Amino acid sequence: DAMVIQNPRYQVTQFGKPVTLSCSQTLNHNVMYWYQQKSSQAPKLLFHYYDKDFNNEADTPDNFQSRRPNTSFCFLDIRSPGLGDAAMYLCATSSSASGSSEQYFGPGTRLTVT
Amino acid sequence: GQNIDQPTEMTATEGAIVQINCTYQTSGFNGLFWYQQHAGEAPTFLSYNVLDGLEEKGRFSSFLSRSKGYSYLLLKELQMKDSASYLCAGKDSNYQLIWGAGTKLIIKP
Repeated sequence: DAMVIQNPRYQVTQFGKPVTLSCSQTLNHNVMYWYQQKSSQAPKLLFHYYDKDFNNEADTPDNFQSRRPNTSFCFLDIRSPGLGDAAMYLCATSSSASGSSEQYFGPGTRLTVT
Repeated sequence: GQNIDQPTEMTATEGAIVQINCTYQTSGFNGLFWYQQHAGEAPTFLSYNVLDGLEEKGRFSSFLSRSKGYSYLLLKELQMKDSASYLCAGKDSNYQLIWGAGTKLIIKP
């Protein structure tokens, strides 16, 4: 089945220790998104890619970086995680950014910062 | 500014009908989405409305009024597995999704 895969599902890191979350997709979708979601809050868009075009949200901290080496893979790097970065990180894809294109989500990576 | 408002929590009884309301303010409008999110899981797509009116999909229906900036999700014949958060999201003129915080629906036997 075509899908969005995130690894790992659970990640524990220490305060200030760099961490990388990964996402892969077999849907061959052009658009990939990274969201941060905290408990009982709306998903917050961090970045999105349209093909290789990178789009950074204005309020995404510099501490967060992303890479998309090819269509299938996308990475979220947190250079110096703080306690406030503990959250669920969701990767999503869509065939296009426009109109009725729905977003398909991976299962998420729950990040704990100790 | 852009904003999505929906109730924080609702409770309903198994077998009953529940309506979850959403009001939106977006810069431009390119449709309104509803997603279901079970606790600890990723959101899954339920419905999309871009024209006024009711879209029915099995036990779930979604309604849109663009003039009122209003949508609702109607769930019929509630089942225990419908206990989840329901997120409303509007797509703005830049095709970005503006998300609500979700409505937690609790189903009681």
